[in-house]
This record gives sequence, C-alpha cells and structure tokens, in this order.
Amino acid sequence: KAGVTQTPRYLIKTRGQQVTLSCSPISGHRSVSWYQQTPGQGLQFLFEYFSETQRNKGNFPGRFSGRQFSNSRSEMNVSTLELGDSALYLCASSQDGTAYYGYTFGSGTRLTVV
Amino acid sequence: DQQVKQNSPSLSVQEGRISILNCDYTNSMFDYFLWYKKYPAEGPTFLISISSIKDKNEDGRFTVFLNKSAKHLSLHIVPSQPGDSAVYFCAASAQDYKLSFGAGTTVTVRA
Repeated sequence: KAGVTQTPRYLIKTRGQQVTLSCSPISGHRSVSWYQQTPGQGLQFLFEYFSETQRNKGNFPGRFSGRQFSNSRSEMNVSTLELGDSALYLCASSQDGTAYYGYTFGSGTRLTVV
Repeated sequence: DQQVKQNSPSLSVQEGRISILNCDYTNSMFDYFLWYKKYPAEGPTFLISISSIKDKNEDGRFTVFLNKSAKHLSLHIVPSQPGDSAVYFCAASAQDYKLSFGAGTTVTVRA
C-alpha cells in the first residue's frame, strides 16, 4: 500500500512569507503528526492530530499551525517565515497514535528560507 | 531539555561484526521505546520497539535491550551489513502521541 506522501518535496521561500505543507497518511491511518528536523535541534515534535482534533502540541511559536481534514490528510502552515525555520519537515502517520507499532514517516519537505 | 540522549555521534564497525548503539533517557513516564534508521533525504524508517514491561525484544538481526533502573536502552545489530550504514535514532513515548528523539548515531559499516 502507498506510504506517507508529503508535498512538495522542496520549497524555497523568502523571510516574512507564509508556507503550507501537505501530508497524506497511509490509508486507514487516522493519526498524523509533524516533526521538524534541523542540524542544531535534531527531530522536534510539532503537533499531532487524530480525527481532526489536535491532541498534543510541541514547544513551537504560534506561527506554526496545522489542521487535519475528514479524510485524515493534514496540512501545516508556517506564517511570517524566519531564516531559522529552514528545516526538513516530516509527517508521520499511525492508526491511532500509539507509539509501540511505530509511526511511518514520509520523505519530508525540505524548506529553505532565504 | 533533551530527555533522550545518544552520546555517541558516530560508530564504525566492520562488516559481519556486532553494532551496539546506546541511548539514555531521563523521563520516567516513557513507556515505549523505538529505534529508527534514516538515510539522507529520506524520512526515518521504523526498526524495532520495546515496551517498558519488557527488557528485550528481537526482530531478525536487530535486538533492543531495556534497563529501566538505569534508564538505558541499546540496539544490537548482528551481523552488521553495508546496507546498515545510516543514522540511527532512539525515540521514546509517554503515551502522549509524540516521540522524543535522541540526536542520532551515524553508523558506518566497513567492508
């Protein structure tokens, strides 16, 4: 079956702009979470959604937001981009958010802010 | 604060030998522990997990050991193969729908 699909793969934006990233989870998976990977901070949790409800949120400023649709697809938005937002943004899906069986990650969206 | 720590940034091992990766954690609420493997320009791939009620879990060449009293876990890869060269992340969860990751260990398997 198809894996987790993230679009676009690469993105270049200018400081101050906003960006929307998309994630389509594995069919049947209802939990979608987002992570940011940077060389300095490693993999950091952004937020998790299940059945269109945010159940947990990481320690990121309010410029980072997300949502989930009724078909479980998810989007994350970053407003007023800063240079430090340059990172690999990873989406992960699971059936219900339980960690034991592992989350399946997409290949990520590489965001560069110039 | 970093609740999951991988103190060895890199590991070099000869093909066929054992690779041992270590991970320490500080949060007593963690009850699931996972290992992921990551190649450049790809997302992490789930390898193996262990529940806090167990001390060992095996899956093929991969074995994870958990020492709760020491708040320490390790991943053993036997035998190591060239395709195992990647970055390995230790992660933990406290049933809060998120993973806390370590900084990663880069494994290089030498022929």
